[in-house]
Order: sequence, then C-alpha cells, then structure tokens
Amino acid sequence: QVQLHESGPGLVKPSETLSLTCTVSGGSISSYYWNWIRQPPGKGLEWIGYIYYSGSTNYNPTLNSRVTISLDTSKNQFSLKLSSVTAADTAVYYCARRLPRTPQYCSGRSCPLAFDIWGQGTMVTVSS
Amino acid sequence: QSVLTQPPSASGTPGQSVTISCSGSSFNIGSNTVNWYQKLPGTAPKLLIYSNNQRPSGVPDRFSGSKSGTSASLAISGLQSEDEADYYCAAWDDILNGVVFGGGTKLTVL
Repeated sequence: QVQLHESGPGLVKPSETLSLTCTVSGGSISSYYWNWIRQPPGKGLEWIGYIYYSGSTNYNPTLNSRVTISLDTSKNQFSLKLSSVTAADTAVYYCARRLPRTPQYCSGRSCPLAFDIWGQGTMVTVSS
Repeated sequence: QSVLTQPPSASGTPGQSVTISCSGSSFNIGSNTVNWYQKLPGTAPKLLIYSNNQRPSGVPDRFSGSKSGTSASLAISGLQSEDEADYYCAAWDDILNGVVFGGGTKLTVL
C-alpha cells in the first residue's frame, strides 16, 4: 500500500523560501507523476505542479516563477520549493500521486490527470 | 475566483439524491475529462470519480459522474450522514496548461 508523507517547517517568514518534502513509502517513485496541491484556510484546492520520475516538470503558471519541484529517487522522495513567500502562501500543502498511466485507467493514449493517493497534508504558515 | 464554477452549497436529507454541478469552458471540461474529489474536514481529498464517470475501487456506486459539453455533474444517491463533506471538480486546462479545480461545494445532510 503506497503512502505519502509530507514534512517540513510549519512556519516560514515572508520573503523566504518554503521547502517541503514528500516521502513515498510502500512503493517505488518510478513510473509515476508526483504532484503538490495546496488549500489556503477557508478556500479551495490549488494545483501547484508535478514532476515525472524522469525529472520533467510542469507548474501552475500563476506560481511558475517561484516554484521548483525536484526528485530524489535514491530516497524515494520529491520536494517543493516556493520562493518569496507571502501570507497568501499560507495553506495546507498536500503531495499526491497521479493515477497510473496504465490500460486500466487510460482510454487509448488519453490518461486522466487524477490524484489517487494523497499525503495527510501539512500546514504551513507564512508570518514574521 | 476558480476557473471551474461550482455552487457553494448543496443539501439533502438522508436517503435523498443530490446533484452537484461543475461548469467550465471548451478549454477545460469541453476538451478534457473531469475528476471529482471528496474532502472531509481535516483529512486529505479522496478521489471519487475520474474520467468523467469512472469510480476507483472502493467508491460506492451511490456516487456517479457525468459530463456534457462544458459542464459536468456529480450525483449522490441514497444520501448518508457520512457524505457530508466538500466536493471538488477538477480538469486539465489547455490554456493554462495545468490542472484547475472548482471552488468546491459544501454538502450538508440535513
């Protein structure tokens, strides 16, 4: 049973860089897309971006210039860095796995970008 | 303001059926599949429906999804108290080149 677990500081100062790590247990990090999603207090979900096990990435254009997602296959971990944070970046941050791109879930070459396994989430507050 | 539009709230009594709508555009729902998530307070979202109408293993068949044009719907039949949660739709957006979510619908079981 694959499980995800986020870790990192719960408090970050304005203008600094938010850094979180997601540890994948019970399975390999290979052959999947790994995502970060956040939810500000009282608001909805926002996709931050993903990294493929090959290292290719795709980021939410509204955050693109501030986001870096990286992978450490030796540790079965992937990480999020969000620079120049403000109070608006205060949120619960989730890591999540994309549904496998297998014939079970795909129709031809079209595969859903749905998130089937999530971490429990970690609250990050931006405050001085 | 979210790219996908959902009603902020919905309600029903136990045993009833309820439908939650999700409206988008030709660049997201109109050209890509829709996924639905259930979020209980203090817990991570749970995938309910993928590819418009497919249920992952373990999701009761009381939950069903559909899509028509640039809109999608999540239907819940035989409402139960444990269905009280926030529900989010999501889809890929070809213009933004990313995943977009609806603002969420808070379902209350009266």
